[in-house]
Amino acid sequence: EAGVAQSPRYKIIEKRQSVAFWCNPISGHATLYWYQQILGQGPKLLIQFQNNGVVDDSQLPKDRFSAERLKGVDSTLKIQPAKLEDSAVYLCASSFRGSNEKLFFGSGTQLSVL
Amino acid sequence: AQSVTQLGSHVSVSEGALVLLRCNYSSSVPPYLFWYVQYPNQGLQLLLKYTSAATLVKGINGFEAEFKKSETSFHLTKPSAHMSDAAEYFCAVSSNSGGYQKVTFGIGTKLQVIP
Repeated sequence: EAGVAQSPRYKIIEKRQSVAFWCNPISGHATLYWYQQILGQGPKLLIQFQNNGVVDDSQLPKDRFSAERLKGVDSTLKIQPAKLEDSAVYLCASSFRGSNEKLFFGSGTQLSVL
Repeated sequence: AQSVTQLGSHVSVSEGALVLLRCNYSSSVPPYLFWYVQYPNQGLQLLLKYTSAATLVKGINGFEAEFKKSETSFHLTKPSAHMSDAAEYFCAVSSNSGGYQKVTFGIGTKLQVIP
């Protein structure tokens, strides 16, 4: 079974630039999550999709972050413009139905904003 | 609102010694509880999950956790630490919030195993 795929693996940008991350969840998984993991902290949920609809984006900084889930499958997370405090690992995860089930995580994208 | 508190951001044990990683949760409704492990440069992997079927939950790699409602705790244990257990461990709680399941992670505990 293929796992959750994320790209790129690493990204270095300067502040005020834009960046995009891509995620391909496990086939058939209805729920997709984007987490931000700052060094020394636990993953923080940015946005949760159920199929292609948003169920929770309460912690997404909407003035600079945006996300979409195309046709209920792949997803992209964009930051524009980036700030220094956005330096973190961005994790994508998926689950078959909801978050009371096992979440499958990708390896993450490590973002450094200089 | 739900939350998770992990006591001790760093824990060191000798190889062969007992591993005990502490987790306390807060939830207004019966929760699902999880332990995930993260090895360097990898995503999180599920170790075990509590779903109210049994208070003692056995997971992979010899880990287990006991749900204690009176103490709102879900501590992770392993009788004998192995070098390969060195990783970061995250406790998580999932409960129904606003009509959907929401999962919240703790800050993590980094386990060091000393030979």
